Amino acid sequence: SQQGEEDPQALSIQEGENATMNCSYKTSINNLQWYRQNSGRGLVHLILIRSNEREKHSGRLRVTLDTSKKSSSLLITASRAADTASYFCATDARETSGSRLTFGEGTQLTVNP
Amino acid sequence: NAGVTQTPKFQVLKTGQSMTLQCAQDMNHEYMSWYRQDPGMGLRLIHYSVGAGITDQGEVPNGYNVSRSTTEDFPLRLLSAAPSQTSVYFCASSLAGPAKNIQYFGAGTRLSVL
Repeated sequence: SQQGEEDPQALSIQEGENATMNCSYKTSINNLQWYRQNSGRGLVHLILIRSNEREKHSGRLRVTLDTSKKSSSLLITASRAADTASYFCATDARETSGSRLTFGEGTQLTVNP
Repeated sequence: NAGVTQTPKFQVLKTGQSMTLQCAQDMNHEYMSWYRQDPGMGLRLIHYSVGAGITDQGEVPNGYNVSRSTTEDFPLRLLSAAPSQTSVYFCASSLAGPAKNIQYFGAGTRLSVL
């Protein structure tokens, strides 16, 4: 299976609610990134968290990283309809050359107005 | 800023045909890569380049060739298209190895091989 695996595969919430997505990985990493993909578009970088960081914030986004459990979570607070998209985690594994990211399968988030 | 530009946006090929997917970036990024995205499988790395004249294979390189003669351009060639290559292809670039820097993605090329 892939290095990064998101959970759940799909999430449907109401506008204003919080959305939490999880990512698990298998090997030690240098850092972990989250990307968003709107339907029919390319991926857009959201946030990067390094292996020595535990939590990072950017606007309504909060990312946590637990290297002991090899997992990360992305929290979107006060969700909006415009947050509807697929969200992917991407890991840089220490065992690779350091120039390649491995993407998970993504979580499809639907925010209902 | 144009960012990463991919052409064409859509393409239909017959089995056995060859074609080149174009990718150009105007951000002077050293690192460029090609991914394919299939339902339920996320993005898989095909080939990547850490600078002009340097390319390397990714996770799924078979059936694809790349070259990097300039910093700006990184074309992906399908040598003899097969139905298994039906996918959405994304080109991405970054300032250095993506392990340390964010990747900027193009809008993608949707390819169907009949």
